[in-house]
Amino acid sequence: SQTIHQWPATLVQPVGSPLSLECTVEGTSNPNLYWYRQAAGRGLQLLFYSVGIGQISSEVPQNLSASRPQDRQFILSSKKLLLSDSGFYLCAWRTGVGTEAFFGQGTRLTVV
Amino acid sequence: TQLLEQSPQFLSIQEGENLTVYCNSSSVFSSLQWYRQEPGEGPVLLVTVVTGGEVKKLKRLTFQFGDARKDSSLHITAAQPGDTGLYLCAGASSGGYNKLIFGAGTRLAVHP
Repeated sequence: SQTIHQWPATLVQPVGSPLSLECTVEGTSNPNLYWYRQAAGRGLQLLFYSVGIGQISSEVPQNLSASRPQDRQFILSSKKLLLSDSGFYLCAWRTGVGTEAFFGQGTRLTVV
Repeated sequence: TQLLEQSPQFLSIQEGENLTVYCNSSSVFSSLQWYRQEPGEGPVLLVTVVTGGEVKKLKRLTFQFGDARKDSSLHITAAQPGDTGLYLCAGASSGGYNKLIFGAGTRLAVHP
């Protein structure tokens, strides 16, 4: 069966520090991968998505970047965090267009 | 720019009442999905609608896809406290079928 792992679950980082969030998927190959950010009680803002290794589409110009070094690994990074980067970050995968998206448990990031 | 607008933003009702939430866009979508999210967790798929005019029922939940495939609605009959949560619609339009975007959500609270 397929599973998605996202870590860490919570993170408190000072302004200006770097960030690396990792997401891995098991039990499937060549998934579409997604990073979303969610403000408290609000909808999901698409940050990045990837349809294959090394292929990254950026949706919102910002202080973040994403990489897909392996087929089932998706990494969200920042060189210098801003206060506005605080939020709930969710990684998701699906097999293709119109299929169900499966989400990780999320990372709650607080930048202080 | 693809946008999915959801209304109402918040809904607080008593157990047993009926309700409808809406998801609208100016773009045509190949399919629309509805997800439900609990606090601190990732969204979970409720249904996918594909054909214009399609109606799907899931127990007390009825989902409809607009004829032009630009809008969708979710109707809950005899709401129960267990229906409480954040309801999100999601889809990908012809501008990028692999790009899965979400609406801002409707936060539903059902009181006993």
